[in-house]
Formats: sequence, structure tokens, C-alpha cells
Amino acid sequence: NAGVTQTPKFQVLKTGQSMTLQCAQDMNHNSMYWYRQDPGMGLRLIYYSASEGTTDKGEVPNGYNVSRLNKREFSLRLESAAPSQTSVYFCASSEQLAGGPSYEQYFGPGTRLTVT
Amino acid sequence: LAKTTQPISMDSYEGQEVNITCSHNNIATNDYITWYQQFPSQGPRFIIQGYKTKVTNEVASLFIPADRKSSTLSLPRVSLSDTAVYYCLVGDGMDSSYKLIFGSGTRLLVRP
Repeated sequence: NAGVTQTPKFQVLKTGQSMTLQCAQDMNHNSMYWYRQDPGMGLRLIYYSASEGTTDKGEVPNGYNVSRLNKREFSLRLESAAPSQTSVYFCASSEQLAGGPSYEQYFGPGTRLTVT
Repeated sequence: LAKTTQPISMDSYEGQEVNITCSHNNIATNDYITWYQQFPSQGPRFIIQGYKTKVTNEVASLFIPADRKSSTLSLPRVSLSDTAVYYCLVGDGMDSSYKLIFGSGTRLLVRP
């Protein structure tokens, strides 16, 4: 199993450009998440999808949109990139266990985005 | 979601036991405590999760006192490869999405 994969690994955008970050997981997980991590900081949740067909805002959703394309794939779109969106973006997935809550999320390798 | 407070950094030496304490005074009845590890340029990795008392796995132990207002992650006999940032998180057990709110974490440096 590849786990959680993200593309691209690196990207440089000019202010105002748009792009879509792709994420896929092969663990048959129901829930998927997008985070951003600024230098020296913890991760902040942008959007999440508790299950296929649903998406919800996290802490910092402004400037982003998401699509849960199917159970495997969860994409993050920047419609008009701004320098403040320069960050490392991580996608994650998790399974909901029948025996109780699980906070074990599996993270992808990240996409390093620079907006100039 | 309850806020957590943990030391910004800690130093240790190879072979020592490291205990990282996290404060979560406003933890709610349904909240679980989770710890993650993050190496530079990688995504975080789940270490351990607990609700009360003590939880142990092959990597670490998690000690939670009866009032649950704090927790301690214990790493036995650390090695240089344990140098990383460690995050303490408190999550809502009633939220089906099991969202995580990360703080700034504790930077652990293990010296030879």
C-alpha cells in the first residue's frame, strides 16, 4: 500500500494564479483532511471530509475550496493564490472505528507551495 | 476543543527516558488525548491515544491522572532518531470527523 499520496511535491505560483493539490489514499478510509503548516508552527486544519460526499470547514478555510471526488481522492484548490498561502500542505486520512473514536490519522508527504 | 499547553523544547541524551507533560485544563468528558511525532519535512505520525490511566504500546507510554487535566508522554531509552517535534492534542470523542487541533508542539533534541 502506498498510503496517502500527494501531488505535486513542490509548486511555485505567482499571486493570482490558481492550482489544485491532489491527494489520494488507498486504505479505504472514510475521513480525509487538508492541513497547512507554516514555518515553526503546528498544523492548522483547512477543510475535512468525514465521509464521501461531505465536506466541512476547518480552522482556516478562507481562500480554499475542496472536492471529495470519491472515497479515495480529496483535492484542495486555490482559486487566486496569495503570498499568505505560502506553506506546506498536508493531506491525511483516518478510519472511524466501531469500538470508539480513533484519532490516528495517516499523513501524506506534503506539498511545499510558494506564492510570489 | 480543549487547548493544550506543552513545553516549547526539551533536551535529552541517548538512552535516557524522556517525559513530556501536556496541560489540558479544560478537557471535556468526551475528549481523548492523542500524541503525534513529526520529523522535519515529513507529515506527523501517530504515536499513542488514551482516555484515562495508562496506555502503552511498542513505542511509548501515556500516563493520564484521574482528573485528566494533564497527560505525560513517556519515551523509554531515546535514541538520536527520536529527535523530533511532539504534539499533544485533545479531541472530541463525540465528533464523528475526529478533527485534530495542533498546537506548536515540543521540540525534543536527543544528544549523543
